[in-house]
Amino acid sequence: DQQVKQNSPSLSVQEGRISILNCDYTNSMFDYFLWYKKYPAEGPTFLISISSIKDKNEDGRFTVFLNKSAKHLSLHIVPSQPGDSAVYFCAAGNTGNQFYFGTGTSLTVIP
Amino acid sequence: GEEVAQTPKHLVRGEGQKAKLYCAPIKGHSYVFWYQQVLKNEFKFLISFQNENVFDETGMPKERFSAKCLPNSPCSLEIQATKLEDSAVYFCASSQHRQKPLHFGNGTRLTVT
Repeated sequence: DQQVKQNSPSLSVQEGRISILNCDYTNSMFDYFLWYKKYPAEGPTFLISISSIKDKNEDGRFTVFLNKSAKHLSLHIVPSQPGDSAVYFCAAGNTGNQFYFGTGTSLTVIP
Repeated sequence: GEEVAQTPKHLVRGEGQKAKLYCAPIKGHSYVFWYQQVLKNEFKFLISFQNENVFDETGMPKERFSAKCLPNSPCSLEIQATKLEDSAVYFCASSQHRQKPLHFGNGTRLTVT
């Protein structure tokens, strides 16, 4: 049973515009959420995280929003750059226990 | 080191043979996780350690899979009598603290023929 879902397998965005990647989860006990970026033949690279006590966390061009009532989080990338083209995974967990990963969204930023 | 180091990068085993994968976590990180990526984008949790102690092993197929994290040695994941369905990329990750991000290695691609 998939506890973390990314319902959009792919997304294309024009360079300079905003990319919005979405993620839904089912377990209300999850208290820590992360976004990773992955290139082929490499391991996932950590991008940004948020704990359940916050609803927004920002780091440069990346912002993560958490809506606990909707069990939804999103990653905003502004402005999008061609180098952002990769597969993005969200992950969720309950402090220290295993993290559950979504199945990824492949982002293509068109120059 | 500053990166999670996984060896080997590729491993080919005949069905029924043993496979052993290694992971050196980032220095100072107390937690180590193993994940299996079978289908292209699906990460399956296997096991986690807090230092040398098993923290969560709910994902381990216990009949053939075992793992260790011993002091002053790389962590290891061993598969006895590999099966075709064990073909996957195995990722190791480490974290400093229970609510800190996981940092991943580049994985070991296991091919069972």
